[in-house]
Amino acid sequence: DGGITQSPKYLFRKEGQNVTLSCEQNLNHDAMYWYRQDPGQGLRLIYYSQIVNDFQKGDIAEGYSVSREKKESFPLTVTSAQKNPTAFYLCASSEQVSSYEQYFGPGTRLTVT
Amino acid sequence: KNEVEQSPQNLTAQEGEFITINCSYSVGISALHWLQQHPGGGIVSLFMLSSGKKKHGRLIATINIQEKHSSLHITASHPRDSAVYICAVRMNRDDKIIFGKGTRLHILP
Repeated sequence: DGGITQSPKYLFRKEGQNVTLSCEQNLNHDAMYWYRQDPGQGLRLIYYSQIVNDFQKGDIAEGYSVSREKKESFPLTVTSAQKNPTAFYLCASSEQVSSYEQYFGPGTRLTVT
Repeated sequence: KNEVEQSPQNLTAQEGEFITINCSYSVGISALHWLQQHPGGGIVSLFMLSSGKKKHGRLIATINIQEKHSSLHITASHPRDSAVYICAVRMNRDDKIIFGKGTRLHILP
C-alpha cells in the first residue's frame, strides 16, 4: 500500500526537551510538507521540501528544524526554542511543490508539559 | 480578515438531511480543495476544483470563480459523514496553499 506514515500517534515530552517526529512516504513524491494544526485554526505550514537535501521555511518555522537526506523521509524536530509546541502535526507529500494534490499522513499529537 | 472563510463553523443534522458547507475566499486562486478530517486526525482529499462542479458518490462540490465561492454538498447524509471538512486554496500570486479553519459536521442517527 502506498501512503504516508507518521509515528508515533501520540507523543509526550517535558518542556525543554527536543523531540523528533517521523514522516515516511512510499509514493515516490518529490515534495514533502509539515503542517501544524491548533484548535480553531487552519493548518499552518512549518517547512517544506521540494527535493532531497533542500528545504524551505514556511509561515511558522521558528523553533523547528527539518532534514531531507532521503526522498522517502522528512523528519521534523521540535526544539526547546518553540514556545508553544503542544499541537497536532501533519506531514504531507505531493508529486512536486507545484502539484495541486497533497496526500496527508495520519498525524502526530504532541503534548509538552 | 482571513483569506479563506468557511461557514458554518459547526453543523449538526439528522441522518438523511442534505448538507451544504460553504467556502469563500478573497484572493485569486488556481485551485480549491475540499478535505475531510476524521476524528482520528488523518486528512483525506475529497475534491480538487478549478471550475464548475464535481461529483463523487453522495458528495458534490461546486465553485464559482467570479464570486470567489465554493460549496460542498452531501446528499442523504449518514453518521459516518461526521468529520471536519476543510477548504484550502492555492493562491495565484505565490502558489501558497491557505487552509480554512474547517466546518465540524455531526450527523445524528
